[in-house]
This record gives sequence, C-alpha cells and structure tokens, in this order.
Amino acid sequence: AQSVTQLGSHVSVSEGALVLLRCNYSSSVPPYLFWYVQYPNQGLQLLLKYTSAATLVKGINGFEAEFKKSETSFHLTKPSAHMSDAAEYFCAVSGAAGNKLTFGGGTRVLVKP
Amino acid sequence: NAGVTQTPKFQVLKTGQSMTLQCAQDMNHEYMSWYRQDPGMGLRLIHYSVGAGITDQGEVPNGYNVSRSTTEDFPLRLLSAAPSQTSVYFCASSVDRGFQETQYFGPGTRLLVL
Repeated sequence: AQSVTQLGSHVSVSEGALVLLRCNYSSSVPPYLFWYVQYPNQGLQLLLKYTSAATLVKGINGFEAEFKKSETSFHLTKPSAHMSDAAEYFCAVSGAAGNKLTFGGGTRVLVKP
Repeated sequence: NAGVTQTPKFQVLKTGQSMTLQCAQDMNHEYMSWYRQDPGMGLRLIHYSVGAGITDQGEVPNGYNVSRSTTEDFPLRLLSAAPSQTSVYFCASSVDRGFQETQYFGPGTRLLVL
C-alpha cells in the first residue's frame, strides 16, 4: 500500500528565508510524485511532478523538489519565500499501476514580513 | 476553456437529506475523480471514472454514488447525508494514464450536514 507523510502541519517562515517542506512516501513500485498548492478558498494546482526523468524537478513560482530513492523522500524547497507563497501544500504519490493517488495531510505555510 | 467547474459552492443539508454535487470539465479528459478534504487528512479519493460508463471506488466510497453518462459530467450523489460527510469536496480530471498525470481540480463544494 502506498502512503505519504508530510512532516509538520504548519510551517512559519520569514519573507526572504528558505522554504523547506518535507515529504516521505512509501510505495512498492517506482512512484510518480507530485506537489500541489492550495491557495485560500481555491482548488489545488500542480507545482511540480516527478516522473523518473530527473531527480531534481523544477516547478512553478521558483519551487523545486529532489527525489531521493534511498530516503524515500521528495522534499520541496524554495530559496527565498515571498508573501504570495502563503498557502497549503500537499505531497501526493501514485504507483505504476496508476489506479490511485494518495495525498499527505498537507503543510500550511505562513510567511511573516 | 472553463476547466473543471463545480456547483454548488456551498450547501447546508439536514441529516437524511439527499443531494447531488455537480462536476463538469471541458478539456475532453477521460479520467475524472471526486475527493473529500478534511483537516489534517489531505484529500481522500471517493470515486473515480476512467471514461464514460466506467466508474470505480476509491478509498472512502461509502455513502456516495456516482455515474458517468458523458465524458464531460461526473456527478456525486449523497443518498442520505450524515454529519460525517461534512467536508469540502473537490472534483478533478486528467488525461489518459489518470493518476500518473496532472490532476486539474475544480474550486470545490463546501458541504455542511446538520
């Protein structure tokens, strides 16, 4: 069975500081990994996805994530936080069978001026 | 393109009432799915469809029914609402290969069951 764990339900960062959101997954097959962002009162939108082409994946709005198979991790980073990054972020995994998508519990990011 | 649309945006029901949450997409996507979002639990898959006439259960299907008569529409039915179904519901669609592809989400329906 596949599962996703996001460490920390809330993260507070100062504007201009590094954003680091942690995601660990379990999957019995090579995974497809995703990060989605949800702004207040909106649906989710894709930030980036890993599909085995490259271990460092660049997404929108300056975010990137690194796939580390040995650590079963797919942590999301952004070098310099902006006020507009305040949102909830979800990590998700789908296995090779592609018949399900499992989300982590989400991490809410607060950006302080 | 409007993308994925959902109606209504907000609904209050009494226990035992029934209702249908509407979802439509204009991207000609084969895959469509319904999720519920609860605090701290992320999104959980309720039902999904791989094409018109084909549906399957997800992680939390009890209390919900779906059908897919057209490529565009994928309604979610609550036959007898319960307080445990208070949640935010999202519909999503994707191209072939379903959950290995980007999901396009609607804006959500917030449901309160009293």
